[in-house]
Amino acid sequence: EPEVTQTPSHQVTQMGQEVILRCVPISNHLYFYWYRQILGQKVEFLVSFYNNEISEKSEIFDDQFSVERPDGSNFTLKIRSTKLEDSAMYFCASREGLNSGNTIYFGEGSWLTVV
Amino acid sequence: DAKTTQPPSMDCAEGRAANLPCNHSTISGNEYVYWYRQIHSQGPQYIIHGLKNNETNEMASLIITEDRKSSTLILPHATLRDTAVYYCIVRPSDDYKLSFGAGTTVTVRA
Repeated sequence: EPEVTQTPSHQVTQMGQEVILRCVPISNHLYFYWYRQILGQKVEFLVSFYNNEISEKSEIFDDQFSVERPDGSNFTLKIRSTKLEDSAMYFCASREGLNSGNTIYFGEGSWLTVV
Repeated sequence: DAKTTQPPSMDCAEGRAANLPCNHSTISGNEYVYWYRQIHSQGPQYIIHGLKNNETNEMASLIITEDRKSSTLILPHATLRDTAVYYCIVRPSDDYKLSFGAGTTVTVRA
């Protein structure tokens, strides 16, 4: 069964460093998302992306965050200068977006620890 | 602004059906009911969704009341691997953001 894959599974970084989290969405999907979950808290929406541009973002997704689809398969989340409070599990998700293909499928997550 | 209400936790015996309730009394006509689960901090896993009719797939059944104000997710034969947090989410047809609440922590016991 096709799945969303994410790398790395776990990254430890120093405060102030840049981090790039990578995702390979399901191949025929057109809409891409990032969510995050701080330990012990709810899963929160960060951003949605379609047709090479951001379609919606939450208040969490400030200027320190950016997303990119650098090629036909990868979808990345960059955090420019990490803070301690960016420590969380980051989930990439995608959906097909055609006809009845509106279910969102999630990857297994990238656990980011900022020290 | 939670649109759904779920019990915080429930236990279920292995091999028995697990019935997970969800209240969505303010649901609008164009809003779907989605169920996801999250096994121990893994990514949320899609289970099933419905609009008005009851739905069944290989994982579960979804029973939606006629007034659509509540629904029940049924896991027909719970196994230990079904231990997870289960999220009931109401999503408008034209807004694909998923708003996760605290969900129900289901523990399946042998």
